[in-house]
Amino acid sequence: DTAVSQTPKYLVTQMGNDKSIKCEQNLGHDTMYWYKQDSKKFLKIMFSYNNKELIINETVPNRFSPKSPDKAHLNLHINSLELGDSAVYFCASSSMTYLRSGNTIYFGEGSWLTVV
Amino acid sequence: GEDVEQSLFLSVREGDSSVINCTYTDSSSTYLYWYKQEPGAGLQLLTYIFSNMDMKQDQRLTVLLNKKDKHLSLRIADTQTGDSAIYFCAESRGPSNTGKLIFGQGTTLQVKP
Repeated sequence: DTAVSQTPKYLVTQMGNDKSIKCEQNLGHDTMYWYKQDSKKFLKIMFSYNNKELIINETVPNRFSPKSPDKAHLNLHINSLELGDSAVYFCASSSMTYLRSGNTIYFGEGSWLTVV
Repeated sequence: GEDVEQSLFLSVREGDSSVINCTYTDSSSTYLYWYKQEPGAGLQLLTYIFSNMDMKQDQRLTVLLNKKDKHLSLRIADTQTGDSAIYFCAESRGPSNTGKLIFGQGTTLQVKP
């Protein structure tokens, strides 16, 4: 079983559309994240949630709205998609917000979003 | 600044050792990580090191940490063609290590047969 799973893996959509990417983890972790990887492979954190509560929001446009219905799920909804939103979006999870010995962050396989 | 920096490209011959270097900026980082990304794939955690250690070995992988110089390296012994990928170093950052990782720009490792 995949530990951190994201759907869809590939998404091609037109500018102006609204789309969602779903993420689920079966590791029993209480903290989940969204990271964005741009065309130059640069990775940057967007959001993190701990037990359904937002703890990090890295100056992401408010067209991006994360939603965590429970601690095993963190979905990313994007309104009014723009060309610059084309990227790979990675979901991740960890067992606690405060990284202690043996606690690491595990990433999903990524969702390739292309806006045309 | 906020940058974690890596060289962009490294080419080695199969069987040689590879050394990928990284410099970071936050001296309060508790953990430093190495991730591997194969083409079209996600991020795979390779190894991590706690900041009070200066070396960690895991099979073919050796991580060296020079905290004074804020320098981290990953050595891959007996490099194989399957090791060809992008390698990212990352530091944990944020109050009480809130899980925010700052990544380098990635080093593309090319292994020639």
